[in-house]
Amino acid sequence: DQQVKQNSPSLSVQEGRISILNCDYTNSMFDYFLWYKKYPAEGPTFLISISSIKDKNEDGRFTVFLNKSAKHLSLHIVPSQPGDSAVYFCAASAIQGAQKLVFGQGTRLTINP
Amino acid sequence: DAGITQSPRHKVTETGTPVTLRCHQTENHRYMYWYRQDPGHGLRLIHYSYGVKDTDKGEVSDGYSVSRSKTEDFLLTLESATSSQTSVYFCAISESIAGSLELDTQYFGPGTRLTVL
Repeated sequence: DQQVKQNSPSLSVQEGRISILNCDYTNSMFDYFLWYKKYPAEGPTFLISISSIKDKNEDGRFTVFLNKSAKHLSLHIVPSQPGDSAVYFCAASAIQGAQKLVFGQGTRLTINP
Repeated sequence: DAGITQSPRHKVTETGTPVTLRCHQTENHRYMYWYRQDPGHGLRLIHYSYGVKDTDKGEVSDGYSVSRSKTEDFLLTLESATSSQTSVYFCAISESIAGSLELDTQYFGPGTRLTVL
C-alpha cells in the first residue's frame, strides 16, 4: 500500500524552463511534507518543506504547493538549471511524534541544455 | 553538511552471514533513523531511535535489529543476511525544535551499498 506516490518515474525539461514534479498521498493523517533531492552515490539532501496549515512555500527557485483536498503536492523549479538534474523524492509525515517519513518512489529529473 | 558518517560504504556478503552497519553522528541529535532504498519503492523506514536505548520499528523491520548504546552511534544488524536485503541503506538524524513538539528536518548520511550473494 503506497501511501505516497510519484507517478512519473522521469521528467525531461529544457534549461531555463519550469520543472513541475508531482506527488499524491492517501493518508489524511499526514500534515508535514518535504522534498528531497538525490544525486547518484550520495544521500538525499533536504530541499523544501510545507506544513498542512499552508498551501504554498517558496525558497528561491523552488516552490512547493499543497492541495489538501486533492491530497496532492507539487514542486516547481524555475528556471531549471543543469545542476537540478537529480532524483527528487517527496516525503510525508505527521508533525508530532518521531517524524517517520514515508517516501514516494522518486522522479528522475533531467535538465537538457 | 550534517556530521553523519556511515560505515562501511560498500559491503558484499553471503547469504546467512551476520552483517552490522554503523551510523555515527557528531551533531548530538536525539533522533536517528535507518532507511533502505530500493528501485520502485523510494526510501522505506526500517527502525528508528528516539534516545539512547530507545528504539522502535518502522515499515520494513523484519530481519533487522538495531542498537543505540551512545547518542552518536546507531547500529543496524542483519542477523542472517538474505538476498532480499541487498539494498542501499541510509541513516538519518533529527532533533526537536526548542519549545515545540515538532522535529527539525532529517539529514541523511552518504549511504551503505550492501550486496548479499
